[in-house]
Amino acid sequence: GENVEQHPSTLSVQEGDSAVIKCTYSDSASNYFPWYKQELGKGPQLIIDIRSNVGEKKDQRIAVTLNKTAKHFSLHITETQPEDSAVYFCAASINFNKFYFGSGTKLNVKP
Amino acid sequence: ETGVTQTPRHLVMGMTNKKSLKCEQHLGHNAMYWYKQSAKKPLELMFVYNFKEQTENNSVPSRFSPECPNSSHLFLHLHTLQPEDSALYLCASSHQGGGDDTQYFGPGTRLTVL
Repeated sequence: GENVEQHPSTLSVQEGDSAVIKCTYSDSASNYFPWYKQELGKGPQLIIDIRSNVGEKKDQRIAVTLNKTAKHFSLHITETQPEDSAVYFCAASINFNKFYFGSGTKLNVKP
Repeated sequence: ETGVTQTPRHLVMGMTNKKSLKCEQHLGHNAMYWYKQSAKKPLELMFVYNFKEQTENNSVPSRFSPECPNSSHLFLHLHTLQPEDSALYLCASSHQGGGDDTQYFGPGTRLTVL
């Protein structure tokens, strides 16, 4: 089955700096890649996603890039704010059939 | 709020107890999922239901018994659990085959098995 690896496991940045979280996947058939943000005491919330026919997608301060050849995708957060502090999960899916999740990155944005 | 609610939010039970977790989605979705989230581990898919039919059982021990009476409700019945079953149990739903098939999660039930 699919294997998704996520790095780093923890990330600490200063407010206003950028943060980058990277994921790799093993199955070249994967074609949908969502990113989730999980705040303390809450379930994961979808923040952005990308399909395999697109190389990059942006939504305000958040962007995701996908490199199908290298089988990796990344989450970029610019101008980080303290409220961005949370655990972020990447996932990969083949036709939305099953979602395979990374192990999560705990992002800490220091004011 | 994502439109997926879970009750209870916290549950403490002994190994001989029987309890149930409940999930309800208000999104008109046709698929529902149970996941287990343990510390420092990826989310583990447990069960998938599509139009009330179970389509996936990810080798889950029989002490976990799911029930899906309709497309809006999903239960997880628990009996004779082990301490290692302590975790956050997340429910999710999606509209499979509808173009936007992504999964939306509830807040989870924090389960502690003593």
